[in-house]
Amino acid sequence: AQSVTQPDIHITVSEGASLELRCNYSYGATPYLFWYVQSPGQGLQLLLKYFSGDTLVQGIKGFEAEFKRSQSSFNLRKPSVHWSDAAEYFCAVAGNKLVFGAGTILRVKS
Amino acid sequence: NAGVTQTPKFQVLKTGQSMTLQCAQDMNHEYMSWYRQDPGMGLRLIHYSVGAGITDQGEVPNGYNVSRSTTEDFPLRLLSAAPSQTSVYFCASSYSRQGDRNEQFFGPGTRLTVL
Repeated sequence: AQSVTQPDIHITVSEGASLELRCNYSYGATPYLFWYVQSPGQGLQLLLKYFSGDTLVQGIKGFEAEFKRSQSSFNLRKPSVHWSDAAEYFCAVAGNKLVFGAGTILRVKS
Repeated sequence: NAGVTQTPKFQVLKTGQSMTLQCAQDMNHEYMSWYRQDPGMGLRLIHYSVGAGITDQGEVPNGYNVSRSTTEDFPLRLLSAAPSQTSVYFCASSYSRQGDRNEQFFGPGTRLTVL
């Protein structure tokens, strides 16, 4: 069975600083990987996904993620964070079912 | 398109009461699912459906029933509410039967409190 670990429960960054949110997965084959964002009181919205091919994927809102098979990781990055990026971010992996990580809450300092 | 809609937005129940959370989508998606979200636990799959008339259990199905009589609707029934079912419930849909491998479109959620 697959699993997802997001090691950071909370992260605080200053506006304009770079961001990296960590995601590690466990699955025997090549997984389908996703990052979702949840603003307060809202449902989840897809930021980006990886199925195959180029290991660096671009998403909406200036986010990107890199799939590293050797490290079983799919970290989310953004070069310059905006105050509106404050939200909760979920990594998810689909193998024989879709499993979500516990989430990372991002706070942005002005 | 309205996307995925859920009603009600908020609900308070007493232990032992039953209720149905409604979910509808207007995107003609085959795959629909119900998740519950609890602090520090992410989203956990309750039940899912790959098409009208077909449902299956997810990770945490106990205490919940579902049915799928139409493509559009996927209601979630709590048979006898318990405080452990206090949570935020999300309905999601996806455009193919392999829905778990495709983008999920989420509703706005239902916040349920069981006293």
